[in-house]
Amino acid sequence: EVQLVESGGDLVQPGGSLRLSCSSSGFIFAEYWMTWVRQAPGQGLEWVANVKGDGSEKNYVDSVKGRFTISRDNAKNSLFLQMNSLRVDDTAVYYCATEKWALGSGSFPNWGQGALVTVS
Amino acid sequence: SYVLTQPPSVSVAPGKTARIICEGNNIGGKSVHWYQQKPGQAPVLVIYYDSDRPLEIPERFSGSNSGSTATLTISRVEAGDEADYYCQVWDSTTDHLHVFGTGTKVTVL
Repeated sequence: EVQLVESGGDLVQPGGSLRLSCSSSGFIFAEYWMTWVRQAPGQGLEWVANVKGDGSEKNYVDSVKGRFTISRDNAKNSLFLQMNSLRVDDTAVYYCATEKWALGSGSFPNWGQGALVTVS
Repeated sequence: SYVLTQPPSVSVAPGKTARIICEGNNIGGKSVHWYQQKPGQAPVLVIYYDSDRPLEIPERFSGSNSGSTATLTISRVEAGDEADYYCQVWDSTTDHLHVFGTGTKVTVL
């Protein structure tokens, strides 16, 4: 069974930094793209960033470019999101998810329970 | 950037059919994925690649995609289907990123 568990969510002041972690099990972590998706309170889903299985490719939504860094440690089956220069509008629940790619498109079949980041 | 538009809400009586649309420029040329999210829970993938269904998802859920509109159809709606639903695509035309729709709240009357 695939399991994804986020940690590191916290209350942080504007301009501060935070590092989220996502621990995985139940699948061959290094073979999968991984992604972060966030959801502000009462709002919809917003994709944040993804990283290829070997870490060689990364993509970011414009609003976090230059501030957030996605990374992974395949030896530890873990995904990370380093968030710097945090803003009030970064407040959200952050989910990690697996990405399954085929036919030139990716879907998210497995999700963690989410980690709450509050910037205030 | 690529935009996916969904109606904010859809209401349906138990046993009837709910149709949730997702509109985007030439969305028929992309693969569309759909997620169900219940309050306080993580999203769940219910349809992928326009019309494929994960094994654990009931056959009542189906999808289609053509032209500028993708559609998620829920047949024989049950109270447990009440949730928010989001469409999602990968946009490789303007930028390399995933895009979610605005979301639709399905209310079972």
